[in-house]
Amino acid sequence: GAGVSQTPSNKVTEKGKYVELRCDPISGHTALYWYRQSLGQGPEFLIYFQGTGAADDSGLPNDRFFAVRPEGSVSTLKIQRTERGDSAVYLCASSSTGQNTDTQYFGPGTRLTVL
Amino acid sequence: AQSVTQLGSHVSVSEGALVLLRCNYSSSVPPYLFWYVQYPNQGLQLLLKYTTGATLVKGINGFEAEFKKSETSFHLTKPSAHMSDAAEYFCAVSESYGGSQGNLIFGKGTKLSVKP
Repeated sequence: GAGVSQTPSNKVTEKGKYVELRCDPISGHTALYWYRQSLGQGPEFLIYFQGTGAADDSGLPNDRFFAVRPEGSVSTLKIQRTERGDSAVYLCASSSTGQNTDTQYFGPGTRLTVL
Repeated sequence: AQSVTQLGSHVSVSEGALVLLRCNYSSSVPPYLFWYVQYPNQGLQLLLKYTTGATLVKGINGFEAEFKKSETSFHLTKPSAHMSDAAEYFCAVSESYGGSQGNLIFGKGTKLSVKP
């Protein structure tokens, strides 16, 4: 079956521009997570959705970052006024229920480069 | 606050040798522990996880890990390395309270190289 997919795979933008990153989770998974992985680091949690609602957005670094999941499936991570420090690989994961014991299935990531 | 420490950002072993990747965690409550592998240009893939029960956990591709509460460790081992094991390995922790909200706290990763 299909895994988690993310588009685009690569995004190059200029400082100050707006970007949207898309995540298609595994069908039927109610939980969806966004992480950010900077060079040489492990993934860092950004936001967690349970269904359509953001259950925990404590990892979003500032108010330039926003994410939605309007129908409880596809999610979009939105970054306004991009900065060079936003350059990283953005990972999306989904799990069946969001329980702490669930396996999270990761997508291949979107590599964002801010020039 | 939870944290994960992976000792050694880069480990190199010979093909056929023992693989040992170290992971220590800190958590104020009993943790759930995970090992993920990341091959170049691919997403993270779960190797194994510890939730409850037996502290020695077996995963895919011949890997296993043992949860040692007294040492706050969850080291990953494989008796005999294959060339195909070359990848980056991440240890992660999730707190056991609360039921839901399983966001993971990851270590910085260990890159495993396997020499022929």
